Amino acid sequence: SQQGEEDPQALSIQEGENATMNCSYKTSINNLQWYRQNSGRGLVHLILIRSNEREKHSGRLRVTLDTSKKSSSLLITASRAADTASYFCATAYIIQGAQKLVFGQGTRLTINP
Amino acid sequence: DTGVSQDPRHKITKRGQNVTFRCDPISEHNRLYWYRQTLGQGPEFLTYFQNEAQLEKSRLLSDRFSAERPKGSFSTLEIQRTEQGDSAMYLCASRDRYNEQFFGPGTRLTVL
Repeated sequence: SQQGEEDPQALSIQEGENATMNCSYKTSINNLQWYRQNSGRGLVHLILIRSNEREKHSGRLRVTLDTSKKSSSLLITASRAADTASYFCATAYIIQGAQKLVFGQGTRLTINP
Repeated sequence: DTGVSQDPRHKITKRGQNVTFRCDPISEHNRLYWYRQTLGQGPEFLTYFQNEAQLEKSRLLSDRFSAERPKGSFSTLEIQRTEQGDSAMYLCASRDRYNEQFFGPGTRLTVL
């Protein structure tokens, strides 16, 4: 299976702490994307990191990619209650010219006030 | 609002009925995707359009499922003879030239 696996499946921390989520995958990728989903809603794109990049920042988000270990991590610093959501990594493959995203099962993050 | 829109947001139907969902992508995006998401799982790819051409279909897309994008703009996903196992969130996404996919709010289907 090409599906990314995310770890942990659930994470509960206090507001202000940092949250780290990990994603592992099995085959070579074109890029890896992280998404957030609030309960019962659509997915919001957070950040895309290409296979030739190692680290990327966006506001309080930091994403790393280690292609040798086939893994990525998403760090949310100084967490807020509004960060409570499910976070998904999606590995992108180019097949016959089409980009295909394969999602993991997600990490359910709860920020306690 | 210039994001991806989907209609309806919720659909409750009886087993055996046909349902049709609509997706309006971001106007300048020529690539459009459909996904299905069940509770506690990540989205699963169903099908992909580039302009009006349907280029790929997942094995998840049985013969009861059909998708169209007649003029390369909006897309429809039809499920015929719905089954309880079809209950899920159906998500549409369109893609920009930087490979980022932008998702709509989804259509939640409940088959009774």
